[in-house]
Amino acid sequence: GAGVSQTPSNKVTEKGKYVELRCDPISGHTALYWYRQSLGQGPEFLIYFQGTGAADDSGLPNDRFFAVRPEGSVSTLKIQRTERGDSAVYLCASSQVIYNEQFFGPGTRLTVL
Amino acid sequence: DQQVKQNSPSLSVQEGRISILNCDYTNSMFDYFLWYKKYPAEGPTFLISISSIKDKNEDGRFTVFLNKSAKHLSLHIVPSQPGDSAVYFCAATFRGGSNYKLTFGKGTLLTVNP
Repeated sequence: GAGVSQTPSNKVTEKGKYVELRCDPISGHTALYWYRQSLGQGPEFLIYFQGTGAADDSGLPNDRFFAVRPEGSVSTLKIQRTERGDSAVYLCASSQVIYNEQFFGPGTRLTVL
Repeated sequence: DQQVKQNSPSLSVQEGRISILNCDYTNSMFDYFLWYKKYPAEGPTFLISISSIKDKNEDGRFTVFLNKSAKHLSLHIVPSQPGDSAVYFCAATFRGGSNYKLTFGKGTLLTVNP
């Protein structure tokens, strides 16, 4: 069956620009997570959605980062005024209920020049 | 402060031998632990997990051991196969919390030589 998909797979942008990263979770999965993986590091938690609401956004590094999930399915991570330090692979994961294993997408590699 | 630590960045073993990947954690609240496997340009794939009420969980060639008193877990792969070559991440979470966010280690690159 279809797994978690993320678009685009690669995004190159210039410092100061705005970017949107999209995540399509597995159908029926109510829990959705965003993680960020910097070079040489493990994935780091950014935000968690249960349904449409952001239940935990404690991992967002600052107010330039924002995420939405308006219909409880697709989610978009939005980054304003990008900085070179935002360069990383952004991973999305979904799970059927909050205590089940998380299924990860392939990630979006963001490069800020 | 790294709450989940994988102190070996890489490990190389011969095909057919045992691979042992180690992980340490510092947060006593963690009560569920997972291992993920990651190939280049792919997302992490769930491998095996263990609850803090157990000390061992086995699934085919993969076994995870948990030593709560030492805050240490390990993943054993027997026998190792070339297709097991990947980055392995140890992850932990607190299932009594409001969500199931995972805290990951930095990963260990396993290379299995034919």
